[in-house]
Amino acid sequence: AQTVTQSQPEMSVQEAETVTLSCTYDTSENNYYLFWYKQPPSRQMILVIRQEAYKQQNATENRFSVNFQKAAKSFSLKISDSQLGDTAMYFCAFMKSPYTGTASKLTFGTGTRLQVTL
Amino acid sequence: DAGITQSPRYKITETGRQVTLMCHQTWSHSYMFWYRQDLGHGLRLIYYSAAADITDKGEVPDGYVVSRSKTENFPLTLESATRSQTSVYFCASSDAGTGYGYTFGSGTRLTVV
Repeated sequence: AQTVTQSQPEMSVQEAETVTLSCTYDTSENNYYLFWYKQPPSRQMILVIRQEAYKQQNATENRFSVNFQKAAKSFSLKISDSQLGDTAMYFCAFMKSPYTGTASKLTFGTGTRLQVTL
Repeated sequence: DAGITQSPRYKITETGRQVTLMCHQTWSHSYMFWYRQDLGHGLRLIYYSAAADITDKGEVPDGYVVSRSKTENFPLTLESATRSQTSVYFCASSDAGTGYGYTFGSGTRLTVV
């Protein structure tokens, strides 16, 4: 079974600064996907970024980027130029590659609550 | 509108009562999932379904029942609600064979008193 660990329950960052959220995972799979989801106070789950394990290049989406270290099983999220709207709970999640015609289950970490302050 | 809709958004029920949470998707996704979100636990999988009439247990299925008679609907029933089932419940859907994650509903906050 896969496990996902987020060791920072809460973090705080000032507006315009950079913050990094940590995530480690444990799996015996070689092909898988990793995700960061954002959950603002509205409760909606929003996909922030996705990484395919077989790709060495780190994924980037505007101000959001990841540092994917496959050997270390680490998948951290960096938020640059933090904005007040980034205040949210962030979840790291793991999915093993689905077989053709199937879908795989998402396994989530416990989340990191990020507060962006003025 | 296309998407995934959960109802109700909020629900308060008494211990021992049966309650059903609804989930409807218009994506025609074959897979649907129910998760519960609790502080300190993240999201945990309750049940999932690969297609109409095909369901399977997830990590925390005890006390819950699901059905899927139509592809677009996946209701979750608490047969006899307990206080430990107070939680936020998320429904999600996914197409088969992709690694693009899920589309989530907006969640139902259930309080059992």
